[in-house]
Amino acid sequence: ETGVTQTPRHLVMGMTNKKSLKCEQHLGHNAMYWYKQSAKKPLELMFVYSLEERVENNSVPSRFSPECPNSSHLFLHLHTLQPEDSALYLCASSQGTGVYYTEAFFGQGTRLTVV
Amino acid sequence: GDSVTQMEGPVTLSEEAFLTINCTYTATGYPSLFWYVQYPGEGLQLLLKATKADDKGSNKGFEATYRKETTSFHLEKGSVQVSDSAVYFCALSVSSGTYKYIFGTGTRLKVLA
Repeated sequence: ETGVTQTPRHLVMGMTNKKSLKCEQHLGHNAMYWYKQSAKKPLELMFVYSLEERVENNSVPSRFSPECPNSSHLFLHLHTLQPEDSALYLCASSQGTGVYYTEAFFGQGTRLTVV
Repeated sequence: GDSVTQMEGPVTLSEEAFLTINCTYTATGYPSLFWYVQYPGEGLQLLLKATKADDKGSNKGFEATYRKETTSFHLEKGSVQVSDSAVYFCALSVSSGTYKYIFGTGTRLKVLA
């Protein structure tokens, strides 16, 4: 099993649909992240969860709704998206306490296309 | 705020050429520094890391040295292969209330046989 698994790998959805992205980590980490990767832009940090508590939300539109039911699972619920939301969505995890964490481990991403 | 700047790509090299991809950073405190690689259709994989000044990270022939005086973490490889063709990301970690990773825009490398 890979360390961080994301499903689905590809998703096409209409602007009125509701869908969810799933991320599962098998590394025993205590922090999980959602990043958005768009062409020719830096990776954008969307959400950070530490010990299942959301600790950062980088001004992400409310049409993106994260959920972290336990330390191994992270979801990103999507509704009424816009075409500019089409991107690669990456999940990552890391382990640490206080000021020191390991490097981030990434999943393979979900390629989202909004039509 | 904290940021990472890396050279624009694409970088095109012939096989066995020397590679340098420049990366500079701005950060408060003492960040850890990373290079990640992304192959087509994949997520990011850690290539190497350095956690304090003067540390050298190395892996698969790639090296980078944490230079605090110049706030740089340049990636180098003495002899690239076609299989090194990918996008390379420089990143740093910061701990300010939360712990997070900040990435550069990525540099695409294409190696020709």
